[in-house]
Amino acid sequence: NAGVTQTPKFQVLKTGQSMTLQCAQDMNHNSMYWYRQDPGMGLRLIYYSASEGTTDKGEVPNGYNVSRLNKREFSLRLESAAPSQTSVYFCASSTDRNSYEQYFGPGTRLTVT
Amino acid sequence: DAKTTQPPSMDCAEGRAANLPCNHSTISGNEYVYWYRQIHSQGPQYIIHGLKNNETNEMASLIITEDRKSSTLILPHATLRDTAVYYCIVTDTDKLIFGTGTRLQVFP
Repeated sequence: NAGVTQTPKFQVLKTGQSMTLQCAQDMNHNSMYWYRQDPGMGLRLIYYSASEGTTDKGEVPNGYNVSRLNKREFSLRLESAAPSQTSVYFCASSTDRNSYEQYFGPGTRLTVT
Repeated sequence: DAKTTQPPSMDCAEGRAANLPCNHSTISGNEYVYWYRQIHSQGPQYIIHGLKNNETNEMASLIITEDRKSSTLILPHATLRDTAVYYCIVTDTDKLIFGTGTRLQVFP
């Protein structure tokens, strides 16, 4: 049981490049989330998905898109990376929207130059 | 969601109880108090949550005042591995809002 896994662990992009961050969970959870954490700050919610095929905006969605293709996987895409998107990105999952116990992945450290 | 206030940092001797306070004076009746922690640069880890009553699990105890305007997370016997940033979150949805938390340093 791997829990929540994220790939890649580290990434460096140039301004304007695109990339997709991958997240997968093997706990059969319905809800999945993407957060970002800037240095010295708490986590901020980017997007979330209550179930397969549904997604909603969180606190800071601008510059990102997401895709929930199946129950296990929830990806985050940066279409045109900007230096302001330099951050650590965490994916999380929970059993459903009434369960606020979220399980987090190890994070992806992204630097945009 | 109600706003929370936590001290930026605290120290605790190994083996002693760590008591981490949180103020949430604007909490509404539906909102739960959740505690998470983040060790070094890892993903946050759920600790405990409660609505009105005090709660205890294998990791910690949560004491919520009768008026629910504040709470305390208690780690009964802190170890060096408990050094982390502790986040108090008040919410009635699954969209968690993390503040800057309390950085707990456990020393030998």
